Amino acid sequence: GQQVMQIPQYQHVQEGEDFTTYCNSSTTLSNIQWYKQRPGGHPVFLIQLVKSGEVKKQKRLTFQFGEAKKNSSLHITATQTTDVGTYFCAGQRGTYKYIFGTGTRLKVLA
Amino acid sequence: SQTIHQWPATLVQPVGSPLSLECTVEGTSNPNLYWYRQAAGRGLQLLFYSVGIGQISSEVPQNLSASRPQDRQFILSSKKLLLSDSGFYLCAWSALAGDGEQYFGPGTRLTVT
Repeated sequence: GQQVMQIPQYQHVQEGEDFTTYCNSSTTLSNIQWYKQRPGGHPVFLIQLVKSGEVKKQKRLTFQFGEAKKNSSLHITATQTTDVGTYFCAGQRGTYKYIFGTGTRLKVLA
Repeated sequence: SQTIHQWPATLVQPVGSPLSLECTVEGTSNPNLYWYRQAAGRGLQLLFYSVGIGQISSEVPQNLSASRPQDRQFILSSKKLLLSDSGFYLCAWSALAGDGEQYFGPGTRLTVT
């Protein structure tokens, strides 16, 4: 079946270190979205990538969409305690359907 | 501005009991609506989505059903709950002609005992 996997599943970093999560799809995606879910909260949209090879930045966050549109990454530079949460990618399959990745849970140690 | 409501926030139900979770959206028309389930510490599983009143697409065959009786109302139901139905149920909406960004409700935490 259609799967979107993320690695790593968990990541503990010291505050100030960098963090990267990778998202891999078994099939080509129309576009890919990234969400952040704080502990006990609901997912919040971060960004959407549409074009092959696209790179977008939001302050300390850098998002990339692979050339084949089957993988993506989120990189956080100099993590802060406010970055704690679970990061999900979501790939669009068809017009309205989104398949969420397995998520990467980030803990930042002060 | 648009808001999305879900209730109840938490629910404890015995095995075999019925379920009805409600989601409503304000401030937009003709939204796409979604139900997701998230098991503890896991990812989001798409259960149902709807692109209009009475139009429901089911993603996972199970003892759950969904209905959309009004444009901005989405209901998740079950006739008989199973232990495996426990989880965090999230409703989301996206604009019909938008870029696909999904806005999630606060969720309902369901425990089946």
